[in-house]
Amino acid sequence: QVNLLQSGAALVKPGASVKLSCKASGYTFTDYYIHWVKQSHGKSLEWIGYINPNSGYTNYNEKFKSKATLTVDKSTNTAYMELSRLTSEDSATYYCTRDDGTYWGYWGQGVMVTVSS
Amino acid sequence: NIVMTQSPKSMSISVGDRVTMNCKASQNVGNNIAWYQQKPGQSPKLLIYYASNRYTGVPDRFTGGGYGTDFTLTINSVQAEDAAFYYCQRIYNSPWTFGGGTKLELK
Repeated sequence: QVNLLQSGAALVKPGASVKLSCKASGYTFTDYYIHWVKQSHGKSLEWIGYINPNSGYTNYNEKFKSKATLTVDKSTNTAYMELSRLTSEDSATYYCTRDDGTYWGYWGQGVMVTVSS
Repeated sequence: NIVMTQSPKSMSISVGDRVTMNCKASQNVGNNIAWYQQKPGQSPKLLIYYASNRYTGVPDRFTGGGYGTDFTLTINSVQAEDAAFYYCQRIYNSPWTFGGGTKLELK
């Protein structure tokens, strides 16, 4: 069965970076794009970007181009998102999700990032 | 960028009622809309894709409709477990954008 397992919650200091992981199982990792989504507390969902695990090609929401960097490790079937120069505005829950060609049927459990000194 | 606007922001419904919520796109998106349900502390769950296609395992009381700029999600005979936030999403093309959500509460 398809599963996307995300890393645990992170508490990071302002100005630092954090690298979140999303380990895929139950399917061929390189066959499906992975998207990342941000949800600030009590707010709606924002698309950050996606990566093609096969080629490494990325496409970002203009808003997150200087904030997020998406990568993959095909040897471990894991997608990563690094968030840089963190501020309180980056405190949120982040999800990875699999693109089934058009819709997003499988989601990770989400990881909460808290930016605080 | 295309903006997705959902209405109402919240609604309070009794078990067994029928409810319809709306999603309006700022430009024609054809049928490239998905609907998600999200309960507190959980990931979003896909309900509907391509405006009216029910995802695997979704109960048939959930129905999506619309085309172009105006879309609806209808829940027939609402159940207690349907209390949640519902989000529409423009799909198929970048940037994928979500509506602000509709909160469904049970009386």
